[in-house]
Amino acid sequence: GESVGLHLPTLSVQEGDNSIINCAYSNSASDYFIWYKQESGKGPQFIIDIRSNMDKRQGQRVTVLLNKTVKHLSLQIAATQPGDSAVYFCAENIESAGNRLAFGKGNQVVVIP
Amino acid sequence: ETGVTQSPTHLIKTRGQQVTLRCSSQSGHNTVSWYQQALGQGPQFIFQYYREEENGRGNFPPRFSGLQFPNYSSELNVNALELDDSALYLCASSWGVGAKNSPLHFGNGTRLTVT
Repeated sequence: GESVGLHLPTLSVQEGDNSIINCAYSNSASDYFIWYKQESGKGPQFIIDIRSNMDKRQGQRVTVLLNKTVKHLSLQIAATQPGDSAVYFCAENIESAGNRLAFGKGNQVVVIP
Repeated sequence: ETGVTQSPTHLIKTRGQQVTLRCSSQSGHNTVSWYQQALGQGPQFIFQYYREEENGRGNFPPRFSGLQFPNYSSELNVNALELDDSALYLCASSWGVGAKNSPLHFGNGTRLTVT
């Protein structure tokens, strides 16, 4: 079936440290993955994406890693800041299913000042 | 550049009633998708509208319906409201129907409470 899940419900990290958020997906046909950040009272905000023909992509302070062999996705945040406190979702795009996004449950990141 | 805007921000309805939620897409975007987000869960795809027609639908009953207008704005209508319809309803816009071509940009949602 189509499912995206996150391993850890809550991640507490000290300000300035690096954060790693993990995500497992089950559909090997998924060919596009996105990380979203959702702050309280707001909609999901696009962070970074990666296509299935890549295994790593870097943005500003963020890196996404894709391991298709074990169907695993991770988001690394460098030098975590208080503004990074939010819920993070990974989502997969299944083109055969009409280009809809399938989201996991989310992973709460709490940055300790 | 104007982002995705949704109205109203909050809404309280009674079971059995009908509701209409509205969304204005980001400037330059022609596709609108609707998602339902229950508390503590990830968003669930309801449907997508492109060129004023439904283009893909998730596992939601027919009492969830929508419209897209020539200016690309959209409405989500829910009939015969049930308690389980209480959720945050998110609208997202993009250019074209493929997420790879244009990542979805979300509004801040409408919080619907059904009592």
